[in-house]
Amino acid sequence: GQNIDQPTEMTATEGAIVQINCTYQTSGFNGLFWYQQHAGEAPTFLSYNVLDGLEEKGRFSSFLSRSKGYSYLLLKELQMKDSASYLCAAANTNAGKSTFGDGTTLTVKP
Amino acid sequence: DAGVIQSPRHEVTEMGQEVTLRCKPISGHNSLFWYRQTMMRGLELLIYFNNNVPIDDSGMPEDRFSAKMPNASFSTLKIQPSEPRDSAVYFCASSLQGVNTEAFFGQGTRLTVV
Repeated sequence: GQNIDQPTEMTATEGAIVQINCTYQTSGFNGLFWYQQHAGEAPTFLSYNVLDGLEEKGRFSSFLSRSKGYSYLLLKELQMKDSASYLCAAANTNAGKSTFGDGTTLTVKP
Repeated sequence: DAGVIQSPRHEVTEMGQEVTLRCKPISGHNSLFWYRQTMMRGLELLIYFNNNVPIDDSGMPEDRFSAKMPNASFSTLKIQPSEPRDSAVYFCASSLQGVNTEAFFGQGTRLTVV
């Protein structure tokens, strides 16, 4: 089976840095996705990590450790518009599908 | 490209009625996914197609749910008969090639069964 865990809620201040963690247990793991979902909208792609290490994309970075079954999404210079739910999803090549975590609702306060 | 297009955006129906949700994936994408999202259960994969062929429907709740993909540019998800517990947002997503490429989501259909 597959199990994905991420915190339910986080709060941070505008301009700060926040790290959202995701742990997974899955067979046939091939990579880890992060998606952003604003309230009432569809999820949109942020990043995909296949290899260990940190990938930076502007204010957002994503890290993966395959041996530890662990990933995080790092958001720098937080803006109010970053308030959203952040979903991690583990890609399972054997099953041919991705399994999503329940999402972390991030609230950015002034 | 206009992205993944779903219709209707909102649907309110009475218990027992048939509901059909529609999806047009991005042209050239080989994989199509149907998801259901609720507060209680999060984002759940119902079924996915690869090259119009259903690959895994293990997420379909029960026989009341069925999905088809008659061609590369159209898919339907049907619920018959509908029940109040089916109330959710249903997303369709497509990707270029399977699970290892990013999924593009449609805007979703908010279904309310009363």
